Amino acid sequence: DQQVKQNSPSLSVQEGRISILNCDYTNSMFDYFLWYKKYPAEGPTFLISISSIKDKNEDGRFTVFLNKSAKHLSLHIVPSQPGDSAVYFCAASARNYGQNFVFGPGTRLSVLP
Amino acid sequence: GAGVSQSPSNKVTEKGKDVELRCDPISGHTALYWYRQSLGQGLEFLIYFQGNSAPDKSGLPSDRFSAERTGGSVSTLTIQRTQQEDSAVYLCASSLIQAGAATNEKLFFGSGTQLSVL
Repeated sequence: DQQVKQNSPSLSVQEGRISILNCDYTNSMFDYFLWYKKYPAEGPTFLISISSIKDKNEDGRFTVFLNKSAKHLSLHIVPSQPGDSAVYFCAASARNYGQNFVFGPGTRLSVLP
Repeated sequence: GAGVSQSPSNKVTEKGKDVELRCDPISGHTALYWYRQSLGQGLEFLIYFQGNSAPDKSGLPSDRFSAERTGGSVSTLTIQRTQQEDSAVYLCASSLIQAGAATNEKLFFGSGTQLSVL
């Protein structure tokens, strides 16, 4: 029973365009969400986070949107760059349950030059 | 070092042998996690240590898997009688949990140990 879902295993986008990566969750207790980026042979690195008290958080080219009623979040990257090509993991945490971060299966983003 | 360090980076073993994977978290981080990523799969939670509390072992796939965290710092993940399905990248992460924490906790990952069971 996957609590965090990323239904698109892969996504291809042209350089300069917007990349939109989606994530859905089932546990209504989740109150903190993160996105991680992973290059081959490296550990995942933190990208951006959002608390459930917000519906948007922006950091440079990266924006995360949270729709609590739909239990859905998305990561927007604009403009997309070839160096953004990586696997992106969505993660969620219910802080009342002791910081056990649950990760989605990941979406492989390819930004084409 | 400044980051989470894992060793070895690669481990090839024969089916039935035991293996030990090591993780050195970031100094001062009280929380330590083990995850694994099988080929083509997402990150699977294995075990979580927080300070002196009893670890959350709910993700360990079988009793062949165990983990220790000595002195609140270094952790060792042990897999006994390895099987081919244990082949995966084993990732360790740490985080700084503060009392009355705000919402800015995040995990810092090591580069992982690629385990191959032949």
